[in-house]
Amino acid sequence: SQTIHQWPATLVQPVGSPLSLECTVEGTSNPNLYWYRQAAGRGLQLLFYSVGIGQISSEVPQNLSASRPQDRQFILSSKKLLLSDSGFYLCAWTETGLEAFFGQGTRLTVV
Amino acid sequence: KQEVTQIPAALSVPEGENLVLNCSFTDSAIYNLQWFRQDPGKGLTSLLLIQSSQREQTSGRLNASLDKSSGRSTLYIAASQPGDSATYLCAVRANQAGTALIFGKGTTLSVSS
Repeated sequence: SQTIHQWPATLVQPVGSPLSLECTVEGTSNPNLYWYRQAAGRGLQLLFYSVGIGQISSEVPQNLSASRPQDRQFILSSKKLLLSDSGFYLCAWTETGLEAFFGQGTRLTVV
Repeated sequence: KQEVTQIPAALSVPEGENLVLNCSFTDSAIYNLQWFRQDPGKGLTSLLLIQSSQREQTSGRLNASLDKSSGRSTLYIAASQPGDSATYLCAVRANQAGTALIFGKGTTLSVSS
């Protein structure tokens, strides 16, 4: 069966520090991968999605970037965090057009 | 641009009640619609997926309907239980298989015993 792993679960980082969040999917090949952010009191905001290795689409210009170095690995990064980057980050995957599944999320607090 | 709205934003009911959560979307040209549950501080759990050609899907005490032409979906929860307390999110995918889900802000449900 397919599973999705996302880590770390919580992270406290100072302003200006770098960020790397990792997401991996098992049990499937060539999934569509997504990064979402959920800020307090707001809906889920799509940040990036990828339909294949090295193929990244950005929905919102911002301080973050994403990479897909392997078929089932999706990484969210920042060179210098801002206070506004705080939030709950969720990774998701789907096979083309089918049901979407989410990881357990990373709570990022930038201090 | 697709927009998804969920009403009400919050709902409190006593245990045993049947209830309906509403979701509306502005662009009827959707590929599918998915309902999720989110517990506090946790990720999203998929509840039901409805393809654009379908009218409804059922799983246990949950039933989701889709009226694509009017841009509406409802999630019906029968015989609610305290364990159903969570935030319920509706999301639609545009009429292309590779695009991402667009979410509503959710309905936070509280079921009291």
